[in-house]
Amino acid sequence: KNEVEQSPQNLTAQEGEFITINCSYSVGISALHWLQQHPGGGIVSLFMLSSGKKKHGRLIATINIQEKHSSLHITASHPRDSAVYICAVKGGGGADGLTFGKGTHLIIQP
Amino acid sequence: DAGVIQSPRHEVTEMGQEVTLRCKPISGHDYLFWYRQTMMRGLELLIYFNNNVPIDDSGMPEDRFSAKMPNASFSTLKIQPSEPRDSAVYFCASSLAINTGELFFGEGSRLTVL
Repeated sequence: KNEVEQSPQNLTAQEGEFITINCSYSVGISALHWLQQHPGGGIVSLFMLSSGKKKHGRLIATINIQEKHSSLHITASHPRDSAVYICAVKGGGGADGLTFGKGTHLIIQP
Repeated sequence: DAGVIQSPRHEVTEMGQEVTLRCKPISGHDYLFWYRQTMMRGLELLIYFNNNVPIDDSGMPEDRFSAKMPNASFSTLKIQPSEPRDSAVYFCASSLAINTGELFFGEGSRLTVL
């Protein structure tokens, strides 16, 4: 089974700061997802990537397949970015479904 | 499209009662997933379907849990009998493809078993 570790578990930052959330996994994968869960509970898919880098607005996701590591960056952070960010990997260890990290609780203070 | 639709949004029931959660995936999506989220264990895959056929149910905790997908637009997750440890948020998600498809989640069904 793939082991997915996220860091940090909790992060509080000031508005405008550059944010980095890390995800590492133990077994090779076919795809990695970054998900966002707001306090209301709904889950939104931010990125799905299998190599390189993707950018959407102020969000950037990168993945290094050789090092089994991905990062999610938020530039010019804003209080509305406050949420739980979850890394999930597909494949590896014989698993067909996604294996999830425990999530990073991000709070952006004004 | 309205997205993935789940019902009920909230359910409170007593131990021993039958619980049925429902999901309508996005039209045209071939894959449907049921996930459970708890504080202790985070998000876990319970079961997923491809073209209405259950593919992997290894995440279903025990025989009290069952899931069906009678057609491409409807799936149910049933717990009978329910227990307090089943209290969690149950998410349904759908995607076009399992390896390359983006996942779309429903709003979740929050279950409390007293």
